[in-house]
Amino acid sequence: DAGVIQSPRHEVTEMGQEVTLRCKPISGHNSLFWYRQTMMRGLELLIYFNNNVPIDDSGMPEDRFSAKMPNASFSTLKIQPSEPRDSAVYFCASSPGGGGNQPQHFGDGTRLSIL
Amino acid sequence: GESVGLHLPTLSVQEGDNSIINCAYSNSASDYFIWYKQESGKGPQFIIDIRSNMDKRQGQRVTVLLNKTVKHLSLQIAATQPGDSAVYFCAEPPHANAGKSTFGDGTTLTVKP
Repeated sequence: DAGVIQSPRHEVTEMGQEVTLRCKPISGHNSLFWYRQTMMRGLELLIYFNNNVPIDDSGMPEDRFSAKMPNASFSTLKIQPSEPRDSAVYFCASSPGGGGNQPQHFGDGTRLSIL
Repeated sequence: GESVGLHLPTLSVQEGDNSIINCAYSNSASDYFIWYKQESGKGPQFIIDIRSNMDKRQGQRVTVLLNKTVKHLSLQIAATQPGDSAVYFCAEPPHANAGKSTFGDGTTLTVKP
């Protein structure tokens, strides 16, 4: 079975540039999550969707971050403009249920470096 | 505030020994916990979960224990192998009414051959 697919795997760009991270969840999963992982803060939930609708975006750091889920099989996380402190590994995860008591299936992440 | 946290950041064991990784949580209403394993360069991988109506659950070589009285859970790995070397997280997933997914900081398990 195909797992959660993220692209790109690595992104290096200069500060001020727009960054778009992409995620394809597991087919049939109703919930999608975006996380950021750093050494300092560990895994932080940025936003999550249920049935393509954003449920909680309180983890999004600031207005420079935005996420969309136009359909059940695709989501994007955008950073505009990017800053060096955004450098991290960004993970997308999906889970079958919307109620919460289900394990999440993670992609292998996008390693983002902002110079 | 509510949190899920780990007792020790690192754990080193000899191959073949049993490993125990501990985790504490603060929300007494928490009803579901998951253990994940994260290898270098990869995303967290589901190992085992447990619901609050249970105090023990076993998988293949892994056992999770839940003590609701002291708000503590542990992951036991039997006959630890070099392939078990990774970072282990306990976590609570987001809930529709809570909206928060809480991961502990992780325990790095190193298995010495």
